Amino acid sequence: GAGVSQTPSNKVTEKGKYVELRCDPISGHTALYWYRQSLGQGPEFLIYFQGTGAADDSGLPNDRFFAVRPEGSVSTLKIQRTERGDSAVYLCASSLSPGANEQFFGPGTRLTVL
Amino acid sequence: QKEVEQDPGPLSVPEGAIVSLNCTYSNSAFQYFMWYRQYSRKGPELLMYTYSSGNKEDGRFTAQVDKSSKYISLFIRDSQPSDSATYLCAMNTGNQFYFGTGTSLTVIP
Repeated sequence: GAGVSQTPSNKVTEKGKYVELRCDPISGHTALYWYRQSLGQGPEFLIYFQGTGAADDSGLPNDRFFAVRPEGSVSTLKIQRTERGDSAVYLCASSLSPGANEQFFGPGTRLTVL
Repeated sequence: QKEVEQDPGPLSVPEGAIVSLNCTYSNSAFQYFMWYRQYSRKGPELLMYTYSSGNKEDGRFTAQVDKSSKYISLFIRDSQPSDSATYLCAMNTGNQFYFGTGTSLTVIP
């Protein structure tokens, strides 16, 4: 079956612009996670959704970052007033249920802020 | 101190060698311990996860957890060029997952 998909695969933007990154989880997976992976680092937790609600957003670095999952399926990560330090690969993962240890990752969106 | 420490390598071994990858952690509340493989420009792929101290084997891969020492390992037997990737350890408390920096492995034919 289809895995987790993320669009776009690459995004280049200018400092100060607004970007949206989209994640389509595996059908039926109720838990959805966003991570940020900088070069040479492991994924860093940003936010976790259970259904439509953000159950844990403690990893969001500041209020320029926001994520939604209005219908409990597709999620969008939104970054306002982008900064060069936001450049990274943004990964989305889904799992069948909360706390399930088998997370399925998408290929990521590579964000470059010039 | 980071929650999870992992030697970034790089590690280079000849085909057929036994590979040992390791992580240490500081939080005794971690419950599950996972190993992911990540190929270049791809998302991480789960290889194995374990809960208790001891060994878990899956084909050429063995995961080992020592909770008393806060130390986990992944062993790869009969390594293949296709095993060349970055290996990430991860662990969780509830719904928060913490990853190591990853170890870059190259298996030379």
